[in-house]
Amino acid sequence: NAGVTQTPKFRVLKTGQSMTLLCAQDMNHEYMYWYRQDPGMGLRLIHYSVGEGTTAKGEVPDGYNVSRLKKQNFLLGLESAAPSQTSVYFCASSSWFEVNTEAFFGQGTRLTVV
Amino acid sequence: GDSVTQMEGPVTLSEEAFLTINCTYTATGYPSLFWYVQYPGEGLQLLLKATKADDKGSNKGFEATYRKETTSFHLEKGSVQVSDSAVYFCALSTGANSKLTFGKGITLSVRP
Repeated sequence: NAGVTQTPKFRVLKTGQSMTLLCAQDMNHEYMYWYRQDPGMGLRLIHYSVGEGTTAKGEVPDGYNVSRLKKQNFLLGLESAAPSQTSVYFCASSSWFEVNTEAFFGQGTRLTVV
Repeated sequence: GDSVTQMEGPVTLSEEAFLTINCTYTATGYPSLFWYVQYPGEGLQLLLKATKADDKGSNKGFEATYRKETTSFHLEKGSVQVSDSAVYFCALSTGANSKLTFGKGITLSVRP
């Protein structure tokens, strides 16, 4: 099973450039999430989606946009990258069937903005 | 809002030592509690969970008990191994969207 797959795994951007991170899950999960991980900060929720065509803001949404056009995919976009967005980004998914159930994580994308 | 507080790290132990990692939480409603582990270069994976008060989650020799009276979910293992070296995150989830709120994480290093 592939589970949750993130693309790319590493990326270096210049300030002001844009990029899209792709998350794909093959578990037919309704819920999908984007987190960022920073040293000493744990994981913080950027945006999430409770189903195809829906998105919602998390704890730290500024500077990011998301789209969920297909149930299995959740895209995270940076329109104009800033050094403060240097981080490791994790996508996760979970099922609506059981409330507060386990989330499955991708392997992460390490993004550096110079 | 919801929050999770973990003890400060990092923690370095010798193999076969006893491990305790403290975790306390603040939440509205009745959260589910989780411990996730992140091995070097990998994503997070669920280690154990508990969904109601007095539940004990266990996996791979690790245990944690959901203590509502002290709002705690401390992680314990009786004898750690080198392969347990990783970052450990305490987390909670409330509400229908199953969003997770994480603690800051703690790095455990186990030396032979």
